[in-house]
Amino acid sequence: DTGVSQDPRHKITKRGQNVTFRCDPISEHNRLYWYRQTLGQGPEFLTYFQNEAQLEKSRLLSDRFSAERPKGSFSTLEIQRTEQGDSAMYLCASSYTGGTEAFFGQGTRLTVV
Amino acid sequence: KQEVTQIPAALSVPEGENLVLNCSFTDSAIYNLQWFRQDPGKGLTSLLLIQSSQREQTSGRLNASLDKSSGRSTLYIAASQPGDSATYLCAVLTQGGSEKLVFGKGTKLTVNP
Repeated sequence: DTGVSQDPRHKITKRGQNVTFRCDPISEHNRLYWYRQTLGQGPEFLTYFQNEAQLEKSRLLSDRFSAERPKGSFSTLEIQRTEQGDSAMYLCASSYTGGTEAFFGQGTRLTVV
Repeated sequence: KQEVTQIPAALSVPEGENLVLNCSFTDSAIYNLQWFRQDPGKGLTSLLLIQSSQREQTSGRLNASLDKSSGRSTLYIAASQPGDSATYLCAVLTQGGSEKLVFGKGTKLTVNP
């Protein structure tokens, strides 16, 4: 098992463009989480999935953000009409349910110019 | 609303010193508490997981304790090394219909040779 994989590792985009990130969780993990982290802060929760069902979305997640997890495997996070305030590290994590250990990927660093 | 606080925000010690990092949380309704390490620009590496029914966990030079009733956890690092320099984050997995990790802002540790 190679752990949680995120792609791309870095993304630079112009303001107003759309971007999409991908996360491949550890196989057989049914929970998948997305977090956002800015410099000097702890990760902030965005959304999570149980298999293919999106169970919760943070109020931080504006209508420009959408996440999917088709077939309960990999997940994508799309940001439409990016703004400079979207610049951050986007982290994905996976786990089994029932309070088990969560494992994080290396993150996608987004810079909006 | 669960809130996690980490003290101190930064810590600088000479190599070989034993040290303690502190984490507190406001709501004791948690499944577990997890300590992570984060190197600059990287993702999170899981260090220790303590289930809510446990009091402590050990891994090598690391020992984490949990006092759920008082909402506190400590991470003890023995015989610190320059390679331990990183940001240490604690997170609690919340209960009550919203199962997500809530993070503190982290403690930035520098171990000087």
